[in-house]
Amino acid sequence: QAQLRESGPGLVKPSETLSLTCTVSNDSISGFYWSWIRQPAGRGLEWIGRIYSSGIANYSPSLKSRVTMSVDTSKNQFSLKLSAVTAADTAVYYCAKDRDYMRWVDPWGQGTLVTVSS
Amino acid sequence: QSALTQPASVSGSPGQSITISCTGTSSDVGGYNFVSWYQQHPGKPPKLIIYDVHYRPSGVSNRFSGSKSGNTASLTISGLQAEDEADYYCSSHTSRSIRLFGGGTRVTVL
Repeated sequence: QAQLRESGPGLVKPSETLSLTCTVSNDSISGFYWSWIRQPAGRGLEWIGRIYSSGIANYSPSLKSRVTMSVDTSKNQFSLKLSAVTAADTAVYYCAKDRDYMRWVDPWGQGTLVTVSS
Repeated sequence: QSALTQPASVSGSPGQSITISCTGTSSDVGGYNFVSWYQQHPGKPPKLIIYDVHYRPSGVSNRFSGSKSGNTASLTISGLQAEDEADYYCSSHTSRSIRLFGGGTRVTVL
């Protein structure tokens, strides 16, 4: 099945933009949905949004003004940008494969910790 | 849209059965048969254990079962084992085409 790996800076300064990339292997990114989900330490899961391979995206209403997702089918990657970050955006960020009608999310990447601090 | 409501914690003795509830509204849990459940051990990513309310992915123990009644979905773990101690999250599609997660339930095996 698909394997996903998140990559990007582990430390971002407040007010700057968090940028992460998810590389998909053993599967084609084309024809599927791909999600970003985050989890602050000791807390629950928060859905950030998802993107279809065509580039059409849905975002969480609470983050919509700061989130941009994109997809690069030639590299089998999709990406997340979150602008104007604050300490509240410190979390483990997961990428994952999503399904039609958001039926389920599987598999997940191992996650990457992003800390917002000066 | 608020998170789905789950109990913060549930506990049981080995061999017992426990049930975790996940309450939403007619715009999410009650409106679609698209509820999924995830198990998360410390330091690990979540693992899908139930999808479409009651289906189990290949390789998931049949001790895990899912159901739904109205706006509340449930996950039952039967024959509780030490390895079941983890956090469990429900998730649902919503009418606004966003995904909601529950707040999570910590399962403790006594």
